Amino acid sequence: AQSVTQLDSHVSVSEGTPVLLRCNYSSSYSPSLFWYVQHPNKGLQLLLKYTSAATLVKGINGFEAEFKKSETSFHLTKPSAHMSDAAEYFCVVSDRSVVSRASYDKVIFGPGTSLSVIP
Amino acid sequence: GAVVSQHPSRVICKSGTSVKIECRSLDFQATTMFWYRQFPKQSLMLMATSNEGSKATYEQGVEKDKFLINHASLTLSTLTVTSAHPEDSSFYICSAPKRTGLDSYEQYFGPGTRLTVT
Repeated sequence: AQSVTQLDSHVSVSEGTPVLLRCNYSSSYSPSLFWYVQHPNKGLQLLLKYTSAATLVKGINGFEAEFKKSETSFHLTKPSAHMSDAAEYFCVVSDRSVVSRASYDKVIFGPGTSLSVIP
Repeated sequence: GAVVSQHPSRVICKSGTSVKIECRSLDFQATTMFWYRQFPKQSLMLMATSNEGSKATYEQGVEKDKFLINHASLTLSTLTVTSAHPEDSSFYICSAPKRTGLDSYEQYFGPGTRLTVT
């Protein structure tokens, strides 16, 4: 069964400094991995995704993540934080499940990391 | 990109009544859709997988008689919260996977429905 761990429930950085949000996963298949952002009282927005192509994935708003199979990690980084980056970030694993001989992708969310940006 | 809609976006109902939430994939077909709930300041918890043409698959701990799921067509899944109680108040989100390659999918999420039970 797949699972996702986000090691930090809350991260606080100063504006203009680097951001690192950690994510580790477990999966019995070759997973797809995603990072989503959710601003207060808003829906989910896809930041980036890994689907077995390049291990370094670039996303929107200057975010990127590196898939490291040996470490089962998919950490999210950004060189310079902006005030607008303050939000909740979810690491997500999508893995193949089989139910009644029909396969589909099952999506599991990590617990989330709340990012605060200090002026 | 693909679009998934949810209706209503917000609903307030009295305890003991039932509420239906719709999830539609607007520009692609989805034989599978997923339903999540999110409590304040918490992550999304997968409730069930909605399967077109067959019964939904529920996650452990989710009452199937409480949360009725019907995948009526290839573009519509509905979640009905029956006999709602205040503890059912939550943010409900659906997602639908769209095929992007031979063996790859991308999940598209609806904007969510905020349910408040008084």
